[in-house]
Amino acid sequence: AQSVTQLDSQVPVFEEAPVELRCNYSSSVSVYLFWYVQYPNQGLQLLLKYLSGSTLVKGINGFEAEFNKSQTSFHLRKPSVHISDTAEYFCAVSERGNAGNMLTFGGGTRLMVKP
Amino acid sequence: GAVVSQHPSWVICKSGTSVKIECRSLDFQATTMFWYRQFPKKSLMLMATSNEGSKATYEQGVEKDKFLINHASLTLSTLTVTSAHPEDSSFYICSARDVLAGEADTQYFGPGTRLTVL
Repeated sequence: AQSVTQLDSQVPVFEEAPVELRCNYSSSVSVYLFWYVQYPNQGLQLLLKYLSGSTLVKGINGFEAEFNKSQTSFHLRKPSVHISDTAEYFCAVSERGNAGNMLTFGGGTRLMVKP
Repeated sequence: GAVVSQHPSWVICKSGTSVKIECRSLDFQATTMFWYRQFPKKSLMLMATSNEGSKATYEQGVEKDKFLINHASLTLSTLTVTSAHPEDSSFYICSARDVLAGEADTQYFGPGTRLTVL
């Protein structure tokens, strides 16, 4: 079984400042890793994913994340945030190689960008 | 890109009625669809996995007779909340897995359906 922990429930930050949203996971097997963003009253949009290869993954909207196997982390970063980045961010994992397996989500982090 | 739609986007109903929510994959085939429930300011809770042509697999604690799932085609899954009560009010989100994408575990999410039971 897998579990995902997002250490910060809320992250306030000023516009144009850098931000890091933390995600740690636990699993007995290798996993795929995902970050999703959810804007108010909307579904989830995939930001980026790590399947294999380079541990630094670049996604949409200027976000990137780095997979650290030894620390079982997949932190999300952006060098300069905009007001429009205000949303809920979810880290998720699924079991590698298990076709059709479910996603396990973290509790979410609300990013609040202030002017 | 892969698009998943849900209908309706918002529904208000009286207690005791049944509500059907549709989830469609618009430009790809999805042998597997997932149904999630999200409470306010909370994460997504997987309710069930819907497989085309077979019975859905429900997560522990989810009443299969309360939440009926039908996956009749490769592009459509439906969730019916039967005899809805106010505690069923929630945001329901579906996702679909594109098995032809070559990235085995990519799921695409619908925009969600907000159910309010009076």
